[in-house]
Amino acid sequence: AAGVIQSPRHLIKEKRETATLKCYPIPRHDTVYWYQQGPGQDPQFLISFYEKMQSDKGSIPDRFSAQQFSDYHSELNMSSLELGDSALYFCASSPTNRGLTEKLFFGSGTQLSVL
Amino acid sequence: AQSVAQPEDQVNVAEGNPLTVKCTYSVSGNPYLFWYVQYPNRGLQFLLKYITGDNLVKGSYGFEAEFNKSQTSFHLKKPSALVSDSALYFCAVRVPSNTGKLIFGQGTTLQVKP
Repeated sequence: AAGVIQSPRHLIKEKRETATLKCYPIPRHDTVYWYQQGPGQDPQFLISFYEKMQSDKGSIPDRFSAQQFSDYHSELNMSSLELGDSALYFCASSPTNRGLTEKLFFGSGTQLSVL
Repeated sequence: AQSVAQPEDQVNVAEGNPLTVKCTYSVSGNPYLFWYVQYPNRGLQFLLKYITGDNLVKGSYGFEAEFNKSQTSFHLKKPSALVSDSALYFCAVRVPSNTGKLIFGQGTTLQVKP
């Protein structure tokens, strides 16, 4: 069965550079969530999209932006990278954000290292 | 505010013994509770969920969890642990709003020794 695809798996950047993370949800899933997991930390919610519109916003820095495209894939854009941005970034998809009983399906994550 | 607490950073059990990973929650309204497991270099994998009904929920890989409303707990259990169960376990609550995001606990590392 198709899963949530994230690319790249690993990304190394330097301070003040930009990065773009991509997420391809499971087919027919219309909701995408982005989470950030620092070393030894629990995943922290960043932002979510439902039907290409932002549906919720969490602890996402102003330097970050994201969008969901017409094919439902999503991109997380990160600018002016800081050392503290080094983390594992997870994308998750769900059949619908209205179905609170639905589980989230997570991708394998993108490991971002800022040097 | 919705929150989830996992009081133990690490749980150590011997293979074949029962295991319990603790989770307590604080939500307004009816909770939607989940357990996810994270293996090294892997994404979070769904184990089980409680929505309504029977307080004992059975999930993947022989895991189960017991919902206790009076104690606001949702402990993860398994009758007989396997070495391969060693991983990081997250309890999560689904926020009863329009967006349904998950709020995760701090995570508990389960170490099963042969």
